[in-house]
Amino acid sequence: QVQLQESGPGLVKPSQTLSLTCTVSGGSISSGGYYWSWIRQHPGKGLEWIGYIYYSGSTYYNPSLKSRVTISVDTSKNQFSLKLSSVTAADTAVYYCARGAQGVIFDYWGQGTLVTVSS
Amino acid sequence: EIVLTQSPGTLSLSPGERATLSCRASQSVSSSYLAWYQQKPGQAPRLLIYGASSRATGIPDRFSGSGSGTDFTLTISRLEPEDFAVYYCQQYGSSPELTFGGGTKVEIK
Repeated sequence: QVQLQESGPGLVKPSQTLSLTCTVSGGSISSGGYYWSWIRQHPGKGLEWIGYIYYSGSTYYNPSLKSRVTISVDTSKNQFSLKLSSVTAADTAVYYCARGAQGVIFDYWGQGTLVTVSS
Repeated sequence: EIVLTQSPGTLSLSPGERATLSCRASQSVSSSYLAWYQQKPGQAPRLLIYGASSRATGIPDRFSGSGSGTDFTLTISRLEPEDFAVYYCQQYGSSPELTFGGGTKVEIK
């Protein structure tokens, strides 16, 4: 059973960089065919896809966030990470990591972590 | 970008009733690459349906999906108490760009 777990600071100051890590267990992150993804949900709102990194290392980002987003992978630790730069209060949200499969549906999700942007 | 519009915003029904949720796309979703998710308060979304009509592993057969092109439907044949939640559609036909609908809340009447 694949499990994902987000970790990182719950509070980030405006203009700083939000950094989160997702640890994957129950399967290798370098096994083929999966899109290791980040999705966020603003309080009381819907879901917003942030981006993903394919097992090959290719990345794809939401055009609306592309200039501020970097997703990377550390296969030695079976983790992938999100960096979102120059954050504002509008980036306050629950951030989920998820596994994308079959081009791309999200079949496994982390529990989510709330990140608040505030001074 | 394909915009997904879900309706209604809220559906008030009683247990045992049939729920019909709509997801309309701003342009045709290729190969019916549309998925549905269920989200309960404080939980991550759960995949219900993919490919417009295929149930994900472990999903009860009271959940069914249909549609093609720009119009898709999620039907819950008989609502169980645990089905009251928010439902989202998601298109992946224009991958790598993915979009979600705004959600439909199914609440107890």
